Amino acid sequence: ETGVTQSPTHLIKTRGQQVTLRCSSQSGHNTVSWYQQALGQGPQFIFQYYREEENGRGNFPPRFSGLQFPNYSSELNVNALELDDSALYLCASSFDGQGYGYTFGSGTRLTVV
Amino acid sequence: GQNIDQPTEMTATEGAIVQINCTYQTSGFNGLFWYQQHAGEAPTFLSYNVLDGLEEKGRFSSFLSRSKGYSYLLLKELQMKDSASYLCAVEAAGNKLTFGGGTRVLVKP
Repeated sequence: ETGVTQSPTHLIKTRGQQVTLRCSSQSGHNTVSWYQQALGQGPQFIFQYYREEENGRGNFPPRFSGLQFPNYSSELNVNALELDDSALYLCASSFDGQGYGYTFGSGTRLTVV
Repeated sequence: GQNIDQPTEMTATEGAIVQINCTYQTSGFNGLFWYQQHAGEAPTFLSYNVLDGLEEKGRFSSFLSRSKGYSYLLLKELQMKDSASYLCAVEAAGNKLTFGGGTRVLVKP
């Protein structure tokens, strides 16, 4: 059991570019949620995947999309990057979406210039 | 809608007690979480309240009143390492977490 790992840890992109962030879930966890945390603020829910299907989405535009794979690893894709997308992106895995069992990764710090 | 309020910042002295309040208005309620987050790191789980009352775990205690939409996190015998942000989060429908803005606690010697 290795916990939740995210890659890369830091990333700098230019406005208008596309980015893919990756998350490896904790062993046995079939649910992954992604959060955006701007500096000095609490995390904001982006979306959740359960058994490779999106089953909930927060107030984020369609240029934020995701995938979950059979091994329960997942990706967050952001197209047409904007300066306001600069944030810490956190993924959290759990079993059957049970919040009590949430395990967060250390996040990817994305800077858009 | 979802609304979770907590103070932005608090300062306390090493060895003292600090209470961080959280009020919430959410559509649905499954439980309330408190997380600790050091700068640039992942949130780490502190407590989970489902029923009204006080849950004690070592130096940390958390209280919930569902009828008042209110919770607090109590940190006793403060240590320098407790300097961090503390996040209140409500689990509502669909097991999604809605977070407050976080309370930055600064412990001074």
